Amino acid sequence: AQSVTQPDIHITVSEGASLELRCNYSYGATPYLFWYVQSPGQGLQLLLKYFSGDTLVQGIKGFEAEFKRSQSSFNLRKPSVHWSDAAEYFCAASFSGGYNKLIFGAGTRLAVHP
Amino acid sequence: SAVISQKPSRDICQRGTSLTIQCQVDSQVTMMFWYRQQPGQSLTLIATANQGSEATYESGFVIDKFPISRPNLTFSTLTVSNMSPEDSSIYLCSPTSGETQYFGPGTRLLVL
Repeated sequence: AQSVTQPDIHITVSEGASLELRCNYSYGATPYLFWYVQSPGQGLQLLLKYFSGDTLVQGIKGFEAEFKRSQSSFNLRKPSVHWSDAAEYFCAASFSGGYNKLIFGAGTRLAVHP
Repeated sequence: SAVISQKPSRDICQRGTSLTIQCQVDSQVTMMFWYRQQPGQSLTLIATANQGSEATYESGFVIDKFPISRPNLTFSTLTVSNMSPEDSSIYLCSPTSGETQYFGPGTRLLVL
């Protein structure tokens, strides 16, 4: 079955430290991949997406993600975390091509210590 | 970018009643997705609605419980029928067209 896995439910980092959030997908073909952020009481905001081409994609707010076909992964990274990055992060995949129905991972809640 | 509004933004309802959630977009979109986010959970797709055709429901969701209307390319409604406390969730519309996808601000529903 098509699925998206985020192995880490909670992650805590210190402000200024680097961050990597993991995401794996399960399917034969490469899906379209997305990372969203949801701040408390806020809606979903798209950080970045991967459809094809360069496997390292840049997003907003200093985030980047790398697609690795061999590992079926699409991990999100940021070199230096700010306190305002504390939020819930969702990895999502479209297995039907493009912006179609999305399958979301369970989410990773990020806490940032001063 | 598009402006999406959902009404109501939040509501508290009694079990057994129904609530209709409206999603309005300021531009025409091809597809409208409706998602549910139960407390502390991720988002789950309820159904896909295209204008002029019946909505397509995902496994575990049925039209009698979640009827959807899509009268035009800028508006859609989702009704949560015969509510129970298990329906307490955030409901989000996701207008999508081509290479562009948005998410509404959500409707936070509490069923007592």
